[in-house]
Amino acid sequence: EPEVTQTPSHQVTQMGQEVILRCVPISNHLYFYWYRQILGQKVEFLVSFYNNEISEKSEIFDDQFSVERPDGSNFTLKIRSTKLEDSAMYFCASSEGRYSYNSPLHFGNGTRLTVT
Amino acid sequence: QKEVEQNSGPLSVPEGAIASLNCTYSDRGSQSFFWYRQYSGKSPELIMFIYSNGDKEDGRFTAQLNKASQYVSLLIRDSQPSDSATYLCAAREKLTFGTGTRLTIIP
Repeated sequence: EPEVTQTPSHQVTQMGQEVILRCVPISNHLYFYWYRQILGQKVEFLVSFYNNEISEKSEIFDDQFSVERPDGSNFTLKIRSTKLEDSAMYFCASSEGRYSYNSPLHFGNGTRLTVT
Repeated sequence: QKEVEQNSGPLSVPEGAIASLNCTYSDRGSQSFFWYRQYSGKSPELIMFIYSNGDKEDGRFTAQLNKASQYVSLLIRDSQPSDSATYLCAAREKLTFGTGTRLTIIP
């Protein structure tokens, strides 16, 4: 079964450094998403991306975050200057459609980001 | 008001019993809902989705949607220890998840 893959599985960085989290969505999916989950808390929506543009973003997704689809397969999340509170599990997801009731989000295994 | 609300639990159910998980939502415009299961330290995995009023069954799982009352529920029959996880309710159009209900099946 096709799956969303994320790399790395664990990233440790120092405060103030830039990090790039990488994702390869399912190949025939058109919509891509990033979520984060701080330890012990809920899964929070960050951003959705379609047709090389951000289609929706949450309040969390401020100027320090950016997303990009640099080629035909990768989808990346960049955090420009990491803060301690950015420590979380980051999940990439993809879906065939946006509003289709039968188009669920498929999640990758996540990247655990630790900012020290 | 949160868009999707769940009782965070924990909910403990004896093995073999029925586990009942509930979710309410605030936006009447929400049409479809998904239930995901998340094991500790893992990513959410889809269990099932529902978009029509009434019940939808898939194996041991039954999702129920009541649009008039704005709630969604998930029933797990013949609960197994492997069902112990956090269950997340999601409003598809809003891309938002509830806080999740932690379910523990007691052998």
